[in-house]
Amino acid sequence: QKEVEQNSGPLSVPEGAIASLNCTYSDRGSQSFFWYRQYSGKSPELIMFIYSNGDKEDGRFTAQLNKASQYVSLLIRDSQPSDSATYLCFDGEKLTFGTGTRLTIIP
Amino acid sequence: DAGITQSPRHKVTETGTPVTLRCHQTENHRYMYWYRQDPGHGLRLIHYSYGVKDTDKGEVSDGYSVSRSKTEDFLLTLESATSSQTSVYFCAISGGTGDTEAFFGQGTRLTVV
Repeated sequence: QKEVEQNSGPLSVPEGAIASLNCTYSDRGSQSFFWYRQYSGKSPELIMFIYSNGDKEDGRFTAQLNKASQYVSLLIRDSQPSDSATYLCFDGEKLTFGTGTRLTIIP
Repeated sequence: DAGITQSPRHKVTETGTPVTLRCHQTENHRYMYWYRQDPGHGLRLIHYSYGVKDTDKGEVSDGYSVSRSKTEDFLLTLESATSSQTSVYFCAISGGTGDTEAFFGQGTRLTVV
């Protein structure tokens, strides 16, 4: 079992809708998680991090962490074509990435 | 942008030759990392460093060695390159682990023929 798992997609969402990206992790000791966005041919860049149970909002982005279920998610509201990218979930304690979910926003 | 420079950006090399990739930072961050990225596998940690001369292995360290003689430089060496090491290599830096953001370099595309 991989330490961090994501659905590889591709995930297609209409412009203006909510995109939901999910991640599960195997180590109950992991405390902090990061969401990175990676455009094709570019390096990953940080969107958000979360280390407390519950929700954390930043503009159109909301990260959710449920430590009991070992589940992390990222919601993107009012999706824009510029949100089309691969989204990577990262376990800060294990220094491990998920395989990434490719998101396409359809105009 | 965080001050991270990877060199070279692109390299083609022959099987069996040694290759060294360089990561240089101007942020004085303590931690430096080498990842490789392959389709279907995402980013996988090769080695990381938590200080000068302090390094540790990651998930896919076989066939790779690293050195860090100065805070700003972290070198990745493929001792005898193989076709399975064809990949995109990313260097990253951070001030700490756990809840500290990592910043990534632009990547090095390595092709072993």
